[in-house]
Amino acid sequence: EPEVTQTPSHQVTQMGQEVILRCVPISNHLYFYWYRQILGQKVEFLVSFYNNEISEKSEIFDDQFSVERPDGSNFTLKIRSTKLEDSAMYFCASSPSRQGAPYEQYFGPGTRLTVT
Amino acid sequence: AQSVTQLGSHVSVSEGALVLLRCNYSSSVPPYLFWYVQYPNQGLQLLLKYTTGATLVKGINGFEAEFKKSETSFHLTKPSAHMSDAAEYFCAVIPSNDYKLSFGAGTTVTVRA
Repeated sequence: EPEVTQTPSHQVTQMGQEVILRCVPISNHLYFYWYRQILGQKVEFLVSFYNNEISEKSEIFDDQFSVERPDGSNFTLKIRSTKLEDSAMYFCASSPSRQGAPYEQYFGPGTRLTVT
Repeated sequence: AQSVTQLGSHVSVSEGALVLLRCNYSSSVPPYLFWYVQYPNQGLQLLLKYTTGATLVKGINGFEAEFKKSETSFHLTKPSAHMSDAAEYFCAVIPSNDYKLSFGAGTTVTVRA
């Protein structure tokens, strides 16, 4: 069964450093998402991406964050200058369509980002 | 705006006992409702979903949930818990005019032998 993959599974970085989290969505999907889960808190929506542009972003997704689909398979989340509060599990998701039910999103296993 | 409330952050059940996880939502438009499960060190796996039609939906691993519009609830049940059900469970909602998931805080299930 096709699945969303994410690399690395765990990333440790120093405050102020740039990190890139990588995702390979399911191949025929058109919509891509990033969510994050700070330890002990809810999973939160960050951004959605369609047709090579951001379709919606949350207030968390400030100028320090960017997303890109550099080729036909990868979908990346970049944090330019990491802060301690960026430490979280980051989930990538993809869905085949937004039109009609069920808006089902398929999640990757996550990347645990630790900022020291 | 939509929100999801999961009652009980931790639930402990005996093996073979009923599992009941409560979820209430608020949404200004008809919602699509989901339950996801997260096993330790793994990602979010879809257990089941409600979109339209039959309000009792069955999912994987023997779980089912019932959409009750009048109660704005989508509680998850399993008649007989198994040790492998130990995990964290998340209820989530997408309003039918939106596409981003809003998650509840999650309920951790432990199963006692």
